[in-house]
Amino acid sequence: AQTVTQSQPEMSVQEAETVTLSCTYDTSESDYYLFWYKQPPSRQMILVIRQEAYKQQNATENRFSVNFQKAAKSFSLKISDSQLGDAAMYFCAYRSGSMSNFGNEKLTFGTGTRLTIIP
Amino acid sequence: EADIYQTPRYLVIGTGKKITLECSQTMGHDKMYWYQQDPGMELHLIHYSYGVNSTEKGDLSSESTVSRIRTEHFPLTLESARPSHTSQYLCASRVPLPGNTIYFGEGSWLTVV
Repeated sequence: AQTVTQSQPEMSVQEAETVTLSCTYDTSESDYYLFWYKQPPSRQMILVIRQEAYKQQNATENRFSVNFQKAAKSFSLKISDSQLGDAAMYFCAYRSGSMSNFGNEKLTFGTGTRLTIIP
Repeated sequence: EADIYQTPRYLVIGTGKKITLECSQTMGHDKMYWYQQDPGMELHLIHYSYGVNSTEKGDLSSESTVSRIRTEHFPLTLESARPSHTSQYLCASRVPLPGNTIYFGEGSWLTVV
C-alpha cells in the first residue's frame, strides 16, 4: 500500500519570503501522479500543482514549484514570494497510474502542513 | 475552481436522524467520490462511482450509503446518524482520463449531537 508522509505539521514564513514544504511517499509502482492541494480556512480543497512520475521536469505554476526526486521518493513544494492568501493547510497526495479499477481511483493523502504567513 | 457543489455546508443534527448530503457537479464528470476528513487529519476515501448506477466502497469503512442515478448527482445518506459520524465530508469528481485532476467541493461539515 502506498503511504504519504508530511513531517512538518506546521510551518510559518514571512510575507514575500520563500518556504518549502516537505513530502515523502512510499510506493512500489513506477507509474503514478503526485499532487499538492491547498485547503484554506473556507475549507474547499484546491489543486495547487501536479506532477506525473514519468516526467523528469519539475512542475511549476506561477509562484509554486516542486522538487520531484523520484529515486528518493520526495516531492517538496516551494512557494516563492509568499502572500497572505497562501495561508492554508497543504496536503500532498498520491494516485496510482495503474489501470486496475481501484488503484486508479484513490488519492492517498498526507496528514497536511499548516502554513502561516507572517505579515 | 471547479463547478462542484455541496449542500448543506454545515449541519447539526440529533442522534438517530436520517440525513442526506447533496453533491452536484456541472462538468459532466463520470467519476465522483466522497472523502471523509476529521479535523486536522488527512482525507480518506469512503465511496466512489464510475458513472450512473455504479458505486463502490472506498478503503475507509463507512456506515453511509451513496447512489448515482444521474451523472451530475452523487448524494450520501446516513440512515441513523451517530456522534461518531461527526466529520467533514468532501465530494469530488474528475474526468476518466489517467492522471486527471480531482476537483473538490467545499465540503459538508456534519455534527451529530
